[in-house]
Amino acid sequence: EVQLVESGGGLVQPGGSLRLSCAASGFTFSDHYMEWARQAPGKGLEWVGRIRKKANSYTTEYAAAAKGRFTISRDDSKNSLYLQMNSLKTEDTAVYYCARVDRSQYYMDVWGKGTTVTVSS
Amino acid sequence: DIQLTQSPSFLSASVGDRVTITCRASQDIRSYLAWYQQKPGKAPDLLIYDVSALQSGVPSRFSGSGSGTEFTLTISSLQPEDFATYYCQQINAYPFTFGPGTKVEI
Repeated sequence: EVQLVESGGGLVQPGGSLRLSCAASGFTFSDHYMEWARQAPGKGLEWVGRIRKKANSYTTEYAAAAKGRFTISRDDSKNSLYLQMNSLKTEDTAVYYCARVDRSQYYMDVWGKGTTVTVSS
Repeated sequence: DIQLTQSPSFLSASVGDRVTITCRASQDIRSYLAWYQQKPGKAPDLLIYDVSALQSGVPSRFSGSGSGTEFTLTISSLQPEDFATYYCQQINAYPFTFGPGTKVEI
């Protein structure tokens, strides 16, 4: 079964850091681009960023809100995706989802259940 | 950045109704548009990609159309399990963006 499981969420103070992880199983992780999206409480979906695969030099793309503060990385040997979040703001409070990108169509075709990040003093 | 708007933002419908949701882009996004369905407390599910291609396993009552800057998602006969929030997303240009969502309720 294709599965993505996020972890690492929690309560953090403004200005703090947090590292989210996403464990992938049931598919060849290294063959896929991967992405993060988030959803603030009661709000819509927001794309956070993308990391390409090794053949594309693991290059990344970010939303404006994430650029300079968030870093997406991956470890193909561990079938894992990461989101390092620094200088966190209250507006970063959200459920964070990792998602697999379809190899042919480049859309987010498999999503994890999400992990909750709360930024509050 | 490419902005997406959706209309309506809220839709009240009954089982068996034909439902249409519109997504408009602030600039030409060619055919790089997807629709996602999200139920409360759940992650989104990909319904349609490239404007009109049905994701595997998605019922044929869902369909998509449009091009350029105006797109529609149609549910031909609303079923109880279709009550959810629907989001469009463009992947024509970075940063990718989602529409604000359309909540379909009874």
